[in-house]
Amino acid sequence: NAGVTQTPKFRVLKTGQSMTLLCAQDMNHEYMYWYRQDPGMGLRLIHYSVGEGTTAKGEVPDGYNVSRLKKQNFLLGLESAAPSQTSVYFCASRRRTDKSNQPQHFGDGTRLSIL
Amino acid sequence: QQQVKQSPQSLIVQKGGISIINCAYENTAFDYFPWYQQFPGKGPALLIAIRPDVSEKKEGRFTISFNKSAKQFSLHIMDSQPGDSATYFCAAFSGGYQKVTFGTGTKLQVIP
Repeated sequence: NAGVTQTPKFRVLKTGQSMTLLCAQDMNHEYMYWYRQDPGMGLRLIHYSVGEGTTAKGEVPDGYNVSRLKKQNFLLGLESAAPSQTSVYFCASRRRTDKSNQPQHFGDGTRLSIL
Repeated sequence: QQQVKQSPQSLIVQKGGISIINCAYENTAFDYFPWYQQFPGKGPALLIAIRPDVSEKKEGRFTISFNKSAKQFSLHIMDSQPGDSATYFCAAFSGGYQKVTFGTGTKLQVIP
């Protein structure tokens, strides 16, 4: 059982380049999230999705786009990378339930540097 | 705007001692408060969580204390061990658990 898998694990980009980060989960979870983690800032929510075909903005959505075409995948895109987007990106997923709070399962992160 | 304030930023505790990390929140709409543990190079992992209708929750050596009137909650790690050395984040959920705000993290070091 792989859980939440993020690819790539590391990437260096030049300013202005574009790229897509992939998150895949094999737990049939409905909710998926993208966060960025910066020193002294904790994790900040970029975008999230409550189901296939739906996405919503989080706390820091500017400069990012997302897509959830398949339930198991959540893609984060940077159309024109900027140095301010240098960060560690985490994907998470969780089950939707009305009865109890389910934990978020996190991937191991993508370390992105933009020069 | 930081909606969840976490302190201290770093903490050094002797093996066997008690580690205490505090969080304070502003938004009364928050209704689920988890703590996460993160080791270097890994994603955060849920440690323990509490809902505001409970004042305390204990799981093994980990305890959450929750003070709804003060809008504060804390993590207590009893009998701290070197293996507990990690960064700990508090978080607060609202909006049917779709929206979440994290604290800024506490780096805990447990020394032998």
